[in-house]
Amino acid sequence: DQQVKQNSPSLSVQEGRISILNCDYTNSMFDYFLWYKKYPAEGPTFLISISSIKDKNEDGRFTVFLNKSAKHLSLHIVPSQPGDSAVYFCAAITSGTYKYIFGTGTRLKVLA
Amino acid sequence: GAVVSQHPSWVICKSGTSVKIECRSLDFQATTMFWYRQFPKQSLMLMATSNEGSKATYEQGVEKDKFLINHASLTLSTLTVTSAHPEDSSFYICSAYPGQGDSPLHFGNGTRLTVT
Repeated sequence: DQQVKQNSPSLSVQEGRISILNCDYTNSMFDYFLWYKKYPAEGPTFLISISSIKDKNEDGRFTVFLNKSAKHLSLHIVPSQPGDSAVYFCAAITSGTYKYIFGTGTRLKVLA
Repeated sequence: GAVVSQHPSWVICKSGTSVKIECRSLDFQATTMFWYRQFPKQSLMLMATSNEGSKATYEQGVEKDKFLINHASLTLSTLTVTSAHPEDSSFYICSAYPGQGDSPLHFGNGTRLTVT
């Protein structure tokens, strides 16, 4: 049972445009969500997170939106840059635990 | 800060041998570390939670006698893949909790294990 899903395995975006990566979850006990970026043969790097008490968190070019009623979150990158090309994983946890449940990832390719 | 170092970055071994992977928190103490496994084009799957000074907690379906975890100090956890077989070939990644409120986990760079 995949509790965290990223239904788009890949996404291509033109440089300068907005990249929108989506993530859905099924477990209503999740109350903290994170996005990680991963390059091949490297470990994931933390990007941005959001608590379930918020519906938006912004950090520079990265904004995460959370829709609790839909159990959906999204990561917006604007403007997209070629260096953003990587695999992006969303992760969800229940506060008080560090058992991260990861989605399957979305490979973003930003075209110059 | 919060750097996690994993070694080796890649290893090739023969079937039946054992391989040890080290995970170190370089600038913080980690009472808890986590070991993940990633198959190609799949998600990172939590294998076990490594607790300093006590036994690891394994996820369902993970053989504890196959994947030995030792967390002997606050900065080091090791994963030993015993009697490795080709199906154990995978990308193994460790992570550590910096221990500050809602701090995110920090991940090592992973180890690519190939068993021939």
